[in-house]
Amino acid sequence: EPEVTQTPSHQVTQMGQEVILRCVPISNHLYFYWYRQILGQKVEFLVSFYNNEISEKSEIFDDQFSVERPDGSNFTLKIRSTKLEDSAMYFCATNPAASTDTQYFGPGTRLTVL
Amino acid sequence: AQSVTQLGSHVSVSEGALVLLRCNYSSSVPPYLFWYVQYPNQGLQLLLKYTSAATLVKGINGFEAEFKKSETSFHLTKPSAHMSDAAEYFCAVIFSGSARQLTFGSGTQLTVLP
Repeated sequence: EPEVTQTPSHQVTQMGQEVILRCVPISNHLYFYWYRQILGQKVEFLVSFYNNEISEKSEIFDDQFSVERPDGSNFTLKIRSTKLEDSAMYFCATNPAASTDTQYFGPGTRLTVL
Repeated sequence: AQSVTQLGSHVSVSEGALVLLRCNYSSSVPPYLFWYVQYPNQGLQLLLKYTSAATLVKGINGFEAEFKKSETSFHLTKPSAHMSDAAEYFCAVIFSGSARQLTFGSGTQLTVLP
């Protein structure tokens, strides 16, 4: 069964550094999402992406965050200048088309900012 | 504000006992409702979803959930718990007007006792 993959599984970085988290969506899916889960807290929506542009974003997704699909396959989340509070598990999700379609989640990238 | 509430951050049941995990949402318009499960160090896996068809929804691993509009609830049940059911369970909602953004509850950690 096709699945969403994410790399790396764990990323450690120094505060102020840029990080790029990568996701490979399921091949025929059209909508892509990033969510994050700070340790001990609920999963939070960050952004949705369709047709090479952001379709919806939360208040968490400020100017230090960006997303793109640079090569038509990978879907990336960039954090320009990481802060301690960016430490979290970041999940990529994708779904085919309809809003009622299941969002399929990747295994996540654990980001640790020191 | 639209929100999702899961009563009980930790639930313990004996193997073979009924599992009941509670989820309530706040919205005057019935949303789309989902239950996801997260096993340790893994991503989120869909258990079942309600998208305005039958109010009793059957999912994987013997789980089911009933949408009750009058109670704004979508509780998850399983008649007989198995040790392998031990995991964290998340109720998630797509509210009307929020396009495709999943809003998650805070999660319920299920422990199954031998």
